[in-house]
Amino acid sequence: ELKVEQNPLFLSMQEGKNYTIYCNYSTTSDRLYWYRQDPGKSLESLFVLLSNGAVKQEGRLMASLDTKARLSTLHITAAVHDLSATYFCAGIPDSNYQLIWGAGTKLIIKP
Amino acid sequence: DAGITQSPRYKITETGRQVTLMCHQTWSHSYMFWYRQDLGHGLRLIYYSAAADITDKGEVPDGYVVSRSKTENFPLTLESATRSQTSVYFCASSELLGTGAYGYTFGSGTRLTVV
Repeated sequence: ELKVEQNPLFLSMQEGKNYTIYCNYSTTSDRLYWYRQDPGKSLESLFVLLSNGAVKQEGRLMASLDTKARLSTLHITAAVHDLSATYFCAGIPDSNYQLIWGAGTKLIIKP
Repeated sequence: DAGITQSPRYKITETGRQVTLMCHQTWSHSYMFWYRQDLGHGLRLIYYSAAADITDKGEVPDGYVVSRSKTENFPLTLESATRSQTSVYFCASSELLGTGAYGYTFGSGTRLTVV
């Protein structure tokens, strides 16, 4: 059974700093998804990582996938306040199964 | 407008009452999902549907009923609401169950309070 664990679950950081959110999963996952949720809002798709070694970047966010280590990371570069949100990762054991979600990482970026 | 819409946006109901949350999508996605989101529990899948008239239980289905007579609609009914069902409910849709290129697309959510 696939389990997805994120850490940290809560992160408070200063603007301008770099940090990484980790998403570990317990068994094979065909691909890995990252979502963002602003307070009181819905979930918005950020990245879909399709294969080992995949790297996707948008603005100050960069996501990567290492299927051998069963690890995906979401790296934040020179954080700005607008990136404050909760970030979720989700994996999938195979195509016949629904997404399995991590608990989310609440990120607060202080000016 | 294309997309996935949920209604109502907010709902307060009394314990024991039946309440239905609506979800409508315009993409003709095969799959639709209902999640609840609670502090400390993340997203938990209630039910999902692969097509019209095909539904399946998720992680927390007790106390909920779903139907899908048309591809575009996937209502969620709380047959006799309890305080423990106070939550934010999200509907989502997807072309595929898994391994889709875009993942799931979520509605804006319904905040339900049971008093």
